[in-house]
Amino acid sequence: GNSVTQMEGPVTLSEEAFLTINCTYTATGYPSLFWYVQYPGEGLQLLLKATKADDKGSNKGFEATYRKETTSFHLEKGSVQVSDSAVYFCALRFKAAGNKLTFGGGTRVLVKP
Amino acid sequence: EADIYQTPRYLVIGTGKKITLECSQTMGHDKMYWYQQDPGMELHLIHYSYGVNSTEKGDLSSESTVSRIRTEHFPLTLESARPSHTSQYLCASSDYRGPGDEQYFGPGTRLTVT
Repeated sequence: GNSVTQMEGPVTLSEEAFLTINCTYTATGYPSLFWYVQYPGEGLQLLLKATKADDKGSNKGFEATYRKETTSFHLEKGSVQVSDSAVYFCALRFKAAGNKLTFGGGTRVLVKP
Repeated sequence: EADIYQTPRYLVIGTGKKITLECSQTMGHDKMYWYQQDPGMELHLIHYSYGVNSTEKGDLSSESTVSRIRTEHFPLTLESARPSHTSQYLCASSDYRGPGDEQYFGPGTRLTVT
């Protein structure tokens, strides 16, 4: 079956540090890939997405590139802020599978001032 | 902006009680979903719907049931709550016909069964 593996947290950083969260997937075929963010006490928000190989998704200073060769979709941000403290989820989806998302386990990020 | 609502936001209830978690969206989306998020943060799909009168079981078996009588409304019911049902429940919707067809999530209901 399909699965998504994320690096375990928590990841603790200082403000303005570089953030990388690794995400790899196992799937038959070429899914769409997503990063969602969950701020404390809230639901999930779509952060960025990529629908085919070599696509780069970007939003709010975050970037991730769909790498078919390594089946990866690592999330990066060059300079984090305290407001980036949240839980980040990597996910994949096959449209033919009814649009259902398969999530990774989530990575908690804590940015300290 | 996503308009998807869940009530209540927090619920503490005793074992054996019947509960219904409400989810409504005002975007006219045809697809709706329920996820269970355990304390370790993992998200599991427990129910989904492609439209009115359509409901399907998700990837994780759940003792809850759902209904979809109206497009905008997708309530989840537990007939007899147990401590093992303690979790956060997230509702989502998407418009499969749209170019983005991304899922929009509600704020969640945190359920505690004592």
